[in-house]
Amino acid sequence: DAMVIQNPRYQVTQFGKPVTLSCSQTLNHNVMYWYQQKSSQAPKLLFHYYDKDFNNEADTPDNFQSRRPNTSFCFLDIRSPGLGDAAMYLCATSRWGVSNYGYTFGSGTRLTVV
Amino acid sequence: DQQVKQNSPSLSVQEGRISILNCDYTNSMFDYFLWYKKYPAEGPTFLISISSIKDKNEDGRFTVFLNKSAKHLSLHIVPSQPGDSAVYFCAASFNNAGNMLTFGGGTRLMVKP
Repeated sequence: DAMVIQNPRYQVTQFGKPVTLSCSQTLNHNVMYWYQQKSSQAPKLLFHYYDKDFNNEADTPDNFQSRRPNTSFCFLDIRSPGLGDAAMYLCATSRWGVSNYGYTFGSGTRLTVV
Repeated sequence: DQQVKQNSPSLSVQEGRISILNCDYTNSMFDYFLWYKKYPAEGPTFLISISSIKDKNEDGRFTVFLNKSAKHLSLHIVPSQPGDSAVYFCAASFNNAGNMLTFGGGTRLMVKP
């Protein structure tokens, strides 16, 4: 089945220790998104890739970086995680301009910072 | 400033009854609206959508109503089933921004047997 896969499902990292979350897709969608979701809040867009073009949201901290080495994979790097970065991180994909179904989401990675 | 708001964080409904989830938006330029359903430990999944040229879209037990003048949309689930218990997010997009979505904060629906 075509899908969006996020690894790992749960990640525990130490305060200040770099961590990388991964996302892969078999849908061949040209857009990939990273969202941060904290409890009882709306998912917040961090950045997205349109093909290889990187688009950062204005209020995304510099601590968050992303890489998309090819169509299928996208990574979220948190250079120095703080306690406030503990959240669910959602990867999503879409085909630009096809809005009927919005995004296809992965299952998310829950990040804990200790 | 939150452009898409779901003012009820939770809703409890008896099985077989109607569930009505509400969503308000502030930006009149939004022209496409979607509802997503999220189970614990899973990513959101698409449920139903509506274009601003319509005021109603129906898919089985799920109906979305759009009131553009009030900048309000609602999701009706009839009849509600225990398996519908989940968090429901509404989302909105601008057509000229491709399909970038702005999400509401979600409503947790609990359907009691």
